[in-house]
Amino acid sequence: NAGVMQNPRHLVRRRGQEARLRCSPMKGHSHVYWYRQLPEEGLKFMVYLQKENIIDESGMPKERFSAEFPKEGPSILRIQQVVRGDSAAYFCASSPDRLNYGYTFGSGTRLTVV
Amino acid sequence: TQLLEQSPQFLSIQEGENLTVYCNSSSVFSSLQWYRQEPGEGPVLLVTVVTGGEVKKLKRLTFQFGDARKDSSLHITAAQPGDTGLYLCAGAQGSSNTGKLIFGQGTTLQVKP
Repeated sequence: NAGVMQNPRHLVRRRGQEARLRCSPMKGHSHVYWYRQLPEEGLKFMVYLQKENIIDESGMPKERFSAEFPKEGPSILRIQQVVRGDSAAYFCASSPDRLNYGYTFGSGTRLTVV
Repeated sequence: TQLLEQSPQFLSIQEGENLTVYCNSSSVFSSLQWYRQEPGEGPVLLVTVVTGGEVKKLKRLTFQFGDARKDSSLHITAAQPGDTGLYLCAGAQGSSNTGKLIFGQGTTLQVKP
């Protein structure tokens, strides 16, 4: 009974490159959420997706960031032309329904931009 | 902007002591969750409280949701070194699931043997 799977665990990118972060939700979960944790800061909401739909992207920067959750396959958080300020831990969480009763988080992807 | 203020930010105590962590806001939340996060890992859900005044117990951990659903507390009795970690409170907005949890800054707890 695998939990939320994120890969890669660690990702190093040079400034200007693209970063792709993957998240496979728990079996039976159709709701996926992405959060970012910057050093010395708390977790910040980025985007909420259901299969093939973006429900709320109010926490995601308008430029360079995009997210998808296709009918088949994992959810992808894509960061184009990365900058040093994008260095952070990115966490994905999933839930089975629309209730605010707690999410299951993955172990995160630690992105370092050099 | 909704904020959740957690206090204290850091807590270092001896094994066997009791402690309380507070989570306060001026906003009302439909539910409030407590997570624990280990270094290099994602947060793990401890409990969700939904009803104002609700109290939930998880072994030596007691969680309380304020009557007005604006604040919460986590009390640990007879702390053990295994309780060491980062404790996060998170509030859910509104009556439907928007997906947006507002997280506190966290309380780093160190329990010395």
